Amino acid sequence: ETGVTQTPRHLVMGMTNKKSLKCEQHLGHNAMYWYKQSAKKPLELMFVYSLEERVENNSVPSRFSPECPNSSHLFLHLHTLQPEDSALYLCASSQEPRDRVPYGYTFGSGTRLTVV
Amino acid sequence: DQQVKQNSPSLSVQEGRISILNCDYTNSMFDYFLWYKKYPAEGPTFLISISSIKDKNEDGRFTVFLNKSAKHLSLHIVPSQPGDSAVYFCAASDYGQNFVFGPGTRLSVLP
Repeated sequence: ETGVTQTPRHLVMGMTNKKSLKCEQHLGHNAMYWYKQSAKKPLELMFVYSLEERVENNSVPSRFSPECPNSSHLFLHLHTLQPEDSALYLCASSQEPRDRVPYGYTFGSGTRLTVV
Repeated sequence: DQQVKQNSPSLSVQEGRISILNCDYTNSMFDYFLWYKKYPAEGPTFLISISSIKDKNEDGRFTVFLNKSAKHLSLHIVPSQPGDSAVYFCAASDYGQNFVFGPGTRLSVLP
């Protein structure tokens, strides 16, 4: 496994279901991110947690609810999703920039979500 | 409006030849750039980066060139190998902010 682990790898859910995606990192990073990768679109940043506080949510619909209980774990709670929410959801972590030199990201393998 | 563009959705190159992947950006505040490689069913992995104080950065077979006046960067892979076949994402950052990714270019290296 890489330093960033996402579970489950695949998820099929109905529009009335509630499910959660999990992300875990063992790299000692202090920032974690949720991204959405839809077909033929750029990666879209959904949420950022830095030092366990949410710093940006980029106007994501409220049917997506993130949770970051500690610096190593990140969840994305899903409820009443729409078919257009079907995508690859990627978690990433990084060390927050010091002296304005970003270190880049380490990504998980993603959760392939299908909403039916 | 996309701030980071990769205008070639796909590229095919013969094994052993040079692969050149291009990326253009619109935000003049971007001053740090990265390339990521993504295989199917995996997350993107970091490949190489360059800051705006440089115009070239080299790491083995991979070289990134930055032309700030043209707001253009490119990734050169020499020689290309079949294992390089993947989707390549260009990403840009305003130091201290989050990264903006391009849509990706699918590279196929033919044996």
